[in-house]
Amino acid sequence: GQNIDQPTEMTATEGAIVQINCTYQTSGFNGLFWYQQHAGEAPTFLSYNVLDGLEEKGRFSSFLSRSKGYSYLLLKELQMKDSASYLCAVMDSGAGSYQLTFGKGTKLSVIP
Amino acid sequence: GAGVSQSPRYKVAKRGQDVALRCDPISGHVSLFWYQQALGQGPEFLTYFQNEAQLDKSGLPSDRFFAERPEGSVSTLKIQRTQQEDSAVYLCASSPTVGALTGANVLTFGAGSRLTVL
Repeated sequence: GQNIDQPTEMTATEGAIVQINCTYQTSGFNGLFWYQQHAGEAPTFLSYNVLDGLEEKGRFSSFLSRSKGYSYLLLKELQMKDSASYLCAVMDSGAGSYQLTFGKGTKLSVIP
Repeated sequence: GAGVSQSPRYKVAKRGQDVALRCDPISGHVSLFWYQQALGQGPEFLTYFQNEAQLDKSGLPSDRFFAERPEGSVSTLKIQRTQQEDSAVYLCASSPTVGALTGANVLTFGAGSRLTVL
């Protein structure tokens, strides 16, 4: 089985930096994804990590440590439109099919 | 199409009714997934298709849930004799190729069908 933990809620100020952490336990790690989901909308792909280290994409960066079962999503220069849920998801090579297992999501509120 | 399209967006059913939820994946996408998302939770895997073949249905919660993709494109998720605990958003997602999802083989989601069972 898998266990993915992330904080339920976070609040940050417009223009600031926020880090959303995710820890996971899998039987066979095969990649970690971050998705953004605005209320009532489809989850949209943000980032993918399979090797240790930092992946940077504009204002968003994602970090992975496979030995620690740990990832974070870093959002810089926060904007009001960044208010959304952020979903951490893991692909487990032992899960059978090529499914993603999601955490419960972190609801980020950006305040002026 | 340009994205994954799902219909209906909202469905209200009385307990015991049957419902059918439709998914139009991105044209040409081989892999198709159904997920269930309860309020305030992350999506949970239901079933996976590779073209028309249903290769994994381990996440379907009961035999009241049935999914098909007869021609390898459009998929339908059917729930028979709906119960209140079936109330959730049902998300469909597709990816272009078979095999492991990666930064290149990305899972693209539809906006979902919100089912409310009274």
